[in-house]
Order: sequence, then C-alpha cells, then structure tokens
Amino acid sequence: NAGVTQTPKFRVLKTGQSMTLLCAQDMNHEYMYWYRQDPGMGLRLIHYSVGEGTTAKGEVPDGYNVSRLKKQNFLLGLESAAPSQTSVYFCASSYSWTQVPPYEQYFGPGTRLTVT
Amino acid sequence: RKEVEQDPGPFNVPEGATVAFNCTYSNSASQSFFWYRQDCRKEPKLLMSVYSSGNEDGRFTAQLNRASQYISLLIRDSKLSDSATYLCVVNPPGGYQKVTFGIGTKLQVIP
Repeated sequence: NAGVTQTPKFRVLKTGQSMTLLCAQDMNHEYMYWYRQDPGMGLRLIHYSVGEGTTAKGEVPDGYNVSRLKKQNFLLGLESAAPSQTSVYFCASSYSWTQVPPYEQYFGPGTRLTVT
Repeated sequence: RKEVEQDPGPFNVPEGATVAFNCTYSNSASQSFFWYRQDCRKEPKLLMSVYSSGNEDGRFTAQLNRASQYISLLIRDSKLSDSATYLCVVNPPGGYQKVTFGIGTKLQVIP
C-alpha cells in the first residue's frame, strides 16, 4: 500500500494564480483532512471530509476550496494565491474519528508551496 | 491560556540520556491524546497514543496527568535517530475540527 500520497511535492506560484493539490489514499479511509504547517505554529486544519461527497470547514478555510468526489481522493484548491498562503500543506486520512477510542491519522509527505 | 502548549526547545541531550517533554492542555474535557514524531521536512507519524493508565513502548513512556492537565513523553537511552520534533495532539469534545496540534518540541541527540 502506498498510504497517503500528495502531488505535487513542490510548487512556486505568483500572486493571483490558481492551483489544485491532490491527495490520494489507498486505505479505504472515510475521513480525510487538509492541514497547513507554518513555522512556530501547530498544524492547522483547513478543511476536512467525513466521507465521499462531503466537506466541512476547519480552523483556517478562507482562500481555499475542497472537493471529495471519490472516496480515495481529496482535492485542495487555491483560486487566487496570496503570499500568506506560502506554507507546507499536509493531507491526512483516518479510518474514522471519535474521542474514545481515538483513531490514528496517516499523513502524506507534504507539498511545499511558495507564493511570490 | 493556549489550548495546547509545548516548549519548542531545542532540547540538546547526549546519547544515552533520558529526556522528558510535557504538553499542557486547557480543555479539561479532552479524552484522547497522542504523541506524533516529525522528522525535518517530513510528515508527522504516530509515535504513541496516551492512555489514562500510562503506556510504554520500548524506550518511550507516555503519561497523562488529568489533575494538572498535561501529558508527558519520556525517552530513555536516547539514540541519534531520536532526533526529531515531537508533536502533542489533543482531542477535546466538539468534533474533529477541535483537534489541536502543539507546535512541537525539537529534540537533538548529540554524539
């Protein structure tokens, strides 16, 4: 199993350009998540999905859109990139989510995005 | 008070040393906790869940102190390969969107 994969690994955008980050998982997980990680801050949830065809906003959703048309894929879109969106983006998935028992999240290798 | 607080370090320790990190959380209703490990420029990976009774996995021991609202990670006999950033994760009530990651504690094991 490949686990969670992300494409692309690196990208440089100019302000105002758009792009889509692709996340794929082969573990048949229901839940998928997009995070961003910035220096001095913990991982912050952008959007998440609890199943095919569903999406929900996380802590920092502004400037991003998502879609989950297939269970195994979760796409993150930036319609008009801004320098503030320079970050490392991680996708993750989990079988489910409850407080007890807790479910492990599996992360992809990340996408390093620079917006100039 | 921040929801989850960690000392960012770095903690520089010699090989073979014992080192401990704490992570404090603000929501007393939180019921599950994790420690993740993140190597430089890599993705986080689960190190261990933290159970009420404490749990051990080889050289690693995780503890939960509900009264003082913190979790801890103890690493014994540190190896060079333990050098990484350790993230604490707290699951408070209110749904997945409330899950909070700490900023991580950086550990550097020195030969």
